[in-house]
Amino acid sequence: IAGITQAPTSQILAAGRRMTLRCTQDMRHNAMYWYRQDLGLGLRLIHYSNTAGTTGKGEVPDGYSVSRANTDDFPLTLASAVPSQTSVYFCASSDADNSPLHFGNGTRLTVT
Amino acid sequence: GQNIDQPTEMTATEGAIVQINCTYQTSGFNGLFWYQQHAGEAPTFLSYNVLDGLEEKGRFSSFLSRSKGYSYLLLKELQMKDSASYLCAASDSNYQLIWGAGTKLIIKP
Repeated sequence: IAGITQAPTSQILAAGRRMTLRCTQDMRHNAMYWYRQDLGLGLRLIHYSNTAGTTGKGEVPDGYSVSRANTDDFPLTLASAVPSQTSVYFCASSDADNSPLHFGNGTRLTVT
Repeated sequence: GQNIDQPTEMTATEGAIVQINCTYQTSGFNGLFWYQQHAGEAPTFLSYNVLDGLEEKGRFSSFLSRSKGYSYLLLKELQMKDSASYLCAASDSNYQLIWGAGTKLIIKP
């Protein structure tokens, strides 16, 4: 089934540990995004990539890094996790500006 | 600054009609999106408006007034499965989405 796959589904992580959230899409979309969703807040953009080989910072990039080595994969890395990074993380993709976003099923991350 | 406002929670009755409002302020404007998100799931696309007026899609319709910075999502013939959060998002001059916090819609039998 075409779409976006995120892994893991959920994770409990000790503070200070490094973690990579995986995201893969098979729709050949150029643009990919990482959002975090916290209760009572709208989706907040962490990082984005308009095309393979390029990345940009979103609204809340601190503590996160991304890479876009190819069209399909867009991993998000937390170099040294902190409790404030406890959240639900969604990866999304779109094929053009103002095209609807397709979301993965999310990763629920708890940093203790 | 840029911001989106929408009600936190609404309650409606099965079979009825509900209107969820959204007001926005953005630097430039390239359209307004509505997404549906069931609890524990990913958001899914419902509608997109860039011109003033009403867009109808089955039981769901979305309206936009650019001069007022206002949109609404209208849900008709409510079903229990419509219980979800509805997210409003405005596209700014850089085509970045500004998201509201979402409106949790509770449907009662």
